[in-house]
Formats: sequence, C-alpha cells, structure tokens
Amino acid sequence: SQTIHQWPATLVQPVGSPLSLECTVEGTSNPNLYWYRQAAGRGLQLLFYSVGIGQISSEVPQNLSASRPQDRQFILSSKKLLLSDSGFYLCAAITGTDMYEAFFGQGTRLTVV
Amino acid sequence: GQNIDQPTEMTATEGAIVQINCTYQTSGFNGLFWYQQHAGEAPTFLSYNVLDGLEEKGRFSSFLSRSKGYSYLLLKELQMKDSASYLCAVQDSNYQLIWGAGTKLIIKP
Repeated sequence: SQTIHQWPATLVQPVGSPLSLECTVEGTSNPNLYWYRQAAGRGLQLLFYSVGIGQISSEVPQNLSASRPQDRQFILSSKKLLLSDSGFYLCAAITGTDMYEAFFGQGTRLTVV
Repeated sequence: GQNIDQPTEMTATEGAIVQINCTYQTSGFNGLFWYQQHAGEAPTFLSYNVLDGLEEKGRFSSFLSRSKGYSYLLLKELQMKDSASYLCAVQDSNYQLIWGAGTKLIIKP
C-alpha cells in the first residue's frame, strides 16, 4: 500500500525567510503528486500538481514554487515567506492504477511570524 | 466555473443519523469522493461513487445522482469520534480533484 512521508509536521518561520517542505511516496511508482493548502476551517486549495519528473503545473499565482526531482519526491519551496503563507500544507498522491483515491501525507502546519 | 457546495456546519446527537449533502458543477465527471478530516490531521478516504446509487460501508453510506449533480453522505449510529469535517470532492475530466470547503459535523451527547 502507498505511504506518503511529509515533513516537518510543524514549522514556525519569520517573514522573508525561505521555505522547503518535502514529500516522498512509497509503495507506488509514477504517481500524480499534489500540494494543497488549507486555511483554518476551509477546504483544500490546490497549489501545484505534477504528472511526472520535472513536470509542474501551478494553479494559483503566488510566491511559492514546486519541484519534482525524482519520481516519488515532491518539494514545495519559497524564497521569501509572507504572512499570508501561513496554513496547513498537505501533500497528496494519486497513482496511475488507482486514479480514484487520493492518499495524503500527515500535513505541515506552517506559521509565518 | 467548477463549484462544489456543501453545508458549512451541522449538529447531530450521539446515536442518531445525519445526512450531509453535496452538489457539484464540474467540467466532466470521473467520480465523487467523501473524505473525513479530524482537526489538525490529513483527510482520510471514506467512499467513492462513480455510478448512480447507494454505496454502503458499515455505518457510512454514500449516494450519487449524476443527472442532478448531487451526492450525500449518510452516517448512522453516530459516535462522538465522528465529530470531524467531511469533505466532498469531484474528479473532473482531467482527473483533477475539485474540493468542497467541507462540512463540520458536531456530535452532542
């Protein structure tokens, strides 16, 4: 079965500092990978998705970026964090053979101060 | 545009039954999902409907009507641990998941 590792679980960063969140997937190959952000009490906002190595699609213009250096690795980055970047970030995977279910990492609670 | 609507919050009593509705308008349809999310945790998969009708899984059931763009999640014999947010999501023609904002379910003793 699939397992998604996402770290760190919590992060407090000052405004203007860089960000790097990492997500790795086990138990499957060639997954579609997603980064979501969830504001308190709100639904999931799709930030980026990737259908393969080096292929990144952005859904929302922002100061965040994503990269997929390996098939099962997905990284969310920022050069300079804003207060509005605070939120709950979730990495998700959907495999090519189980297109009907999304598996999530544990999530990262980011607070920008 | 694509849109998923579900109530913001519902309250129910322990041991009772509750129905959470979801209506959708999307570019194509490849299935509808319900996820449960406890506060501060990642969503977990509950159910999947791609054909019209009712899917039953223990205390949880999910219904779909594609012609009406409508689904509901039915929770029976409510337990306190069922207090959570319930997210409706539709997979569009590109297999992208479109998410509702979630329904916060409060269970009272």
